[in-house]
Amino acid sequence: NAGVTQTPKFQVLKTGQSMTLQCAQDMNHEYMSWYRQDPGMGLRLIHYSVGAGITDQGEVPNGYNVSRSTTEDFPLRLLSAAPSQTSVYFCASSYWGRWTGELFFGEGSRLTVL
Amino acid sequence: AQKITQTQPGMFVQEKEAVTLDCTYDTSDPSYGLFWYKQPSSGEMIFLIYQGSYDQQNATEGRYSLNFQKARKSANLVISASQLGDSAMYFCAMREGRGGATNKLIFGTGTLLAVQP
Repeated sequence: NAGVTQTPKFQVLKTGQSMTLQCAQDMNHEYMSWYRQDPGMGLRLIHYSVGAGITDQGEVPNGYNVSRSTTEDFPLRLLSAAPSQTSVYFCASSYWGRWTGELFFGEGSRLTVL
Repeated sequence: AQKITQTQPGMFVQEKEAVTLDCTYDTSDPSYGLFWYKQPSSGEMIFLIYQGSYDQQNATEGRYSLNFQKARKSANLVISASQLGDSAMYFCAMREGRGGATNKLIFGTGTLLAVQP
């Protein structure tokens, strides 16, 4: 069972560089989301999607872009990385409409921006 | 706006004792769900337990139980008979609305639990 797969697990960037964090799930979940985790701040929602072609902003969307061309994939793009984006990023998915259902998380991607 | 508050940044507990991790929430929506996740040092997020706002009984899952006090807007996690493997960060989270509107989960800042032998 692959579940939610994130790549890469670790990445170091220079300020101003761009990159994409990949997220794929094989559970046919309609809902997918990206969080960032910073010490003392818990997990904060960046962007989310309720299906292919539909995305929306979360709590901390600035500096990040997303798209959802398929049910399975939900990449997170950093167009011009900043040191403030140094964080651990989690992709998570769930069934849409099953409001009692938990989010399934990927293993996380640790990003350092120098 | 919905909000989750975990006031205990860190806690110690002796092995085999019970421990309560506090969580309070704020919402104006009568329909909501409360979740607890565990994050061990390896970093993955592990779902522990769920409580719905309309559930009449407190949720239980093995050694985990949720002390749900709706009037106080609290959803404390109780771990009975602590084990060394329970040492981890614990997050409380809330989802408003009966799906359809949003699946968004809002998290608290977490409590770091250390189980001592």
